[in-house]
Amino acid sequence: QQQVKQSPQSLIVQKGGIPIINCAYENTAFDYFPWYQQFPGKGPALLIAIRPDVSEKKEGRFTISFNKSAKQFSLHIMDSQPGDSATYFCAASLSGSARQLTFGSGTQLTVLP
Amino acid sequence: GAVVSQHPSWVICKSGTSVKIECRSLDFQATTMFWYRQFPKQSLMLMATSNEGSKATYEQGVEKDKFLINHASLTLSTLTVTSAHPEDSSFYICSARVQGGYGYTFGSGTRLTVV
Repeated sequence: QQQVKQSPQSLIVQKGGIPIINCAYENTAFDYFPWYQQFPGKGPALLIAIRPDVSEKKEGRFTISFNKSAKQFSLHIMDSQPGDSATYFCAASLSGSARQLTFGSGTQLTVLP
Repeated sequence: GAVVSQHPSWVICKSGTSVKIECRSLDFQATTMFWYRQFPKQSLMLMATSNEGSKATYEQGVEKDKFLINHASLTLSTLTVTSAHPEDSSFYICSARVQGGYGYTFGSGTRLTVV
């Protein structure tokens, strides 16, 4: 019930394309859903996050779509660039300061020039 | 923004020796620090949760005597890999919950290679 399932495992798009990464969760008590970007040899960096009372959130070229009834959320990257090539992780957590993140399995994105 | 500074970035040690990894919260007080382990092309796996001034809580399957965690202050948590072996080679990352919000900030990670 603590799992977050992420797909696809890898994704290749052309520059300017719109990669979409999907995640699904089971635990309806999750109340925070962030997306992280990780470059090789670096720690994850927060891209954007959403709470379940909102269906969509946009920050720059990154958009989260959230479907509470389906228990799914997705990341869209508009006008993707080669510099966006990285591994992306979705995650979810319960409320409370000591609640840890549960991560998806990751998606390796390659944006071709 | 909230920053967690992690050191060292990489370390190579001989089998049987111990290695200490430090994580410091630079501009906020981290009452809770999370320690993760990440193998190549895999996700982050939570090893333990440390709370300032108390014993860490380890995830199932993580040897608490091998991975010693100390969280003696609100700005410093350390992970010591004791009697390291080649199978302990991995990428270790710390994280802290940002006070007053829902966000989590991560350290830059430590690449441990045991030879």
